[in-house]
Formats: sequence, C-alpha cells, structure tokens
Amino acid sequence: GENVEQHPSTLSVQEGDSAVIKCTYSDSASNYFPWYKQELGKRPQLIIDIRSNVGEKKDQRIAVTLNKTAKHFSLHITETQPEDSAVYFCAAILNDYKLSFGAGTTVTVRA
Amino acid sequence: NAGVTQTPKFRVLKTGQSMTLLCAQDMNHEYMYWYRQDPGMGLRLIHYSVGEGTTAKGEVPDGYNVSRLKKQNFLLGLESAAPSQTSVYFCASSYSEREVDEQYFGPGTRLTVT
Repeated sequence: GENVEQHPSTLSVQEGDSAVIKCTYSDSASNYFPWYKQELGKRPQLIIDIRSNVGEKKDQRIAVTLNKTAKHFSLHITETQPEDSAVYFCAAILNDYKLSFGAGTTVTVRA
Repeated sequence: NAGVTQTPKFRVLKTGQSMTLLCAQDMNHEYMYWYRQDPGMGLRLIHYSVGEGTTAKGEVPDGYNVSRLKKQNFLLGLESAAPSQTSVYFCASSYSEREVDEQYFGPGTRLTVT
C-alpha cells in the first residue's frame, strides 16, 4: 500500500506571506495527488489536485508541484489570508481508488 | 442536489453496544468510502466499495462491517463498540469511468464510546 508523510505538522505565517507544505510518498506507481482543506468542525474539501503526467498546477493563489523522481509533492499558498487558516491534508492514490492521507498540517495565518 | 449526507451527526454509545452509520449520495457515484479521523493521524480508510453489491477492506477494517445494497447508500456497522472506536467518521464518494477522481466528503459523524 501507499505511505504518505507530511511536513510540517503545524505552520504559522504572517498574513501576506507564503506557506509551503511538503509530502512524500512511497509507491512510485501512485498517479493522483489531491490536497484537501478542512476548516474546524467541517468536512475535508478538495482545493487542488495533480496527476503524475503533470509537474505543476496553479489555481489563483494555490499551486502544487510534483517531483516523481524524488517521490514528493508540495502545496504552495501565496499571499496568505486569514481564511487560509485550516488543516491541510495531502494524499496519494493508486489505480485501486484507495487514497492514503498524510497526517495533516495546521496552518495559522496571523493578522 | 444534497451531495453526500451522513446520519446521525452525533452519537454516544456504551462499550459493547452496536450501531449503524448511514451514508447517502445523490450524485450517481460508483465508489464510496468510509474513513475515520483521529487527532494527528489524518484520515484512515476503513472500508470501501467500487459498486453496488461490492465491498473491500481498507487500512483499518477490524471491528467494522459494511454493506452496499443500493448504489446510493453505504452503511457502516459497529457490532460491539469499543472506546478505541471513538472518532469522527467521514463517508466519501467519487465517480470516474476512466481515472481516479475527486472524492466528495459527507459532513461527518462524531462517535463517542464510553
């Protein structure tokens, strides 16, 4: 099965600064890497995803990069805002549709 | 379009009691999943289903059973609850004919076993 490690576990940034979360995976056959955001007491929601045939993907202030050789992928949030405060989870999946999640990163944006 | 719904939202059980959590989706998704979420451990897959009438074990299946009698419903059962099963349970569903796709999560069920 897949094993996903996520760092850091907590991240505090000043409003307007960038935040970077990194994840590594173990199975080189993994081909889909989503990122979920979970606000306190709410359900996880997809914010961006990337497939193994792409190296980078952007959506406004959010970007994800994938290095298949090193088996790691990262989430970048630029110009952070208070509403970016949440827990972020990375995940990796094989063709059997089973997602393996990282342990999560609690991001706090200081005003 | 309600998306993915879960009942109940909260439940307190005594050790040894049984219960069933219901997940329903109205998006005609083929795949459905049950996860548990514990502090500092992310989401862990309990069981999943790739279609009506099928189920498979995930990462932490012990102590749970599931059934998918109808495409839109996925039931998670606890036959004899234990304090270690205190957790927040999330159901999710996804659909893709060709490739893995986004999983949509329900609002969660907070279960406490005393």
